[in-house]
Amino acid sequence: AQRVTQPEKLLSVFKGAPVELKCNYSYSGSPELFWYVQYSRQRLQLLLRHISRESIKGFTADLNKGETSFHLKKPFAQEEDSAMYYCALRNQGGKLIFGQGTELSVKP
Amino acid sequence: SAVISQKPSRDICQRGTSLTIQCQVDSQVTMMFWYRQQPGQSLTLIATANQGSEATYESGFVIDKFPISRPNLTFSTLTVSNMSPEDSSIYLCSVPERFSYNEQFFGPGTRLTVL
Repeated sequence: AQRVTQPEKLLSVFKGAPVELKCNYSYSGSPELFWYVQYSRQRLQLLLRHISRESIKGFTADLNKGETSFHLKKPFAQEEDSAMYYCALRNQGGKLIFGQGTELSVKP
Repeated sequence: SAVISQKPSRDICQRGTSLTIQCQVDSQVTMMFWYRQQPGQSLTLIATANQGSEATYESGFVIDKFPISRPNLTFSTLTVSNMSPEDSSIYLCSVPERFSYNEQFFGPGTRLTVL
């Protein structure tokens, strides 16, 4: 089965604290994984993809095939990071399968 | 990147009626995707619309309920037919990055409420 699981519906942290948004996947094959973000009153947009191994807005995510995870991390959260975050897997057919989403709230 | 617009942005409809949602892209794309996001839920793919061929529907979605048109490479419509309150959702149009397909761009969504 192809599935993406984000166990936390809401994650609340204080500004400057580290943040980790969890994502686990189930996929038989080599997965392509992404993190998408939706800020308030904006459309869904790509944050980062595992294949690029890049850091965007201070966020990083490492693909761990042994644990089938792709957790999103940032060492020091900022208020502007408050948003809805979706982990997604792209299957061989090119279709994106989304997790349930995690709402990140960064308090001042 | 691709710029996607959708019409209408929102609507409130009566049970039993139909609504057609339009999606316009500022560049020619082969594939267009239609997603549904029910309240408090994640995005679920409804169908893939390719120009010049029938749309491909995902499990649980049928053409009679969600007919799709794709008259050219920049435009598509999704109709939600014979609506019920369970169809209340945000409907999103999406297209892949043109060459590498490494990213998908999303429209702003159409928020549908069925009374």
